Amino acid sequence: EADIYQTPRYLVIGTGKKITLECSQTMGHDKMYWYQQDPGMELHLIHYSYGVNSTEKGDLSSESTVSRIRTEHFPLTLESARPSHTSQYLCASSELRADSNTEAFFGQGTRLTVV
Amino acid sequence: KNQVEQSPQSLIILEGKNCTLQCNYTVSPFSNLRWYKQDTGRGPVSLTIMTFSENTKSNGRYTATLDADTKQSSLHITASQLSDSASYICVVSDRGSTLGRLYFGRGTQLTVWP
Repeated sequence: EADIYQTPRYLVIGTGKKITLECSQTMGHDKMYWYQQDPGMELHLIHYSYGVNSTEKGDLSSESTVSRIRTEHFPLTLESARPSHTSQYLCASSELRADSNTEAFFGQGTRLTVV
Repeated sequence: KNQVEQSPQSLIILEGKNCTLQCNYTVSPFSNLRWYKQDTGRGPVSLTIMTFSENTKSNGRYTATLDADTKQSSLHITASQLSDSASYICVVSDRGSTLGRLYFGRGTQLTVWP
């Protein structure tokens, strides 16, 4: 059982609101990721982090921002939500190893709907 | 371009039957290949991870194979159960960077009928 948690699981919010999606892991992993997934589609990397104070943008352009102040916490923020942000957001973490053969553990996801 | 292609897109089988899902990839340089199971509305859960030197790995009723020469992998499910209904995602990691970037397939949606 992976020790990575996302809250909330579901969120319906009005256009223009600011939201923060929470992600926490208790495995001491240095690497953390945020993915966006639309129904029936592949996961797209939007943000990642190698450790505290490290954040990078992923392959898919996103208006969201992230922070990594603590190892275990990697929140994602949308300053002004729009209907185009409606999607499932998945957080993941893994060990930082040179050979990259490390398991990536995923949270349960946050299903965001912007109306 | 690094890509992961899965087939079939969807599959319906009867409970107790076996099935095989396919994955072709063009990711290079290759590091490892993973199969994940994703229930609807949930996060993916790892089934297997295989490196270049491994050509088969089992996890209960799930058996994954890897042919690194042809860049193909398969996931075989034996004696299917209703709880196997899910999306099965093939994920390939490169070793071009410390990040070990993950490339995701779109998944095969498996439905097991009683």
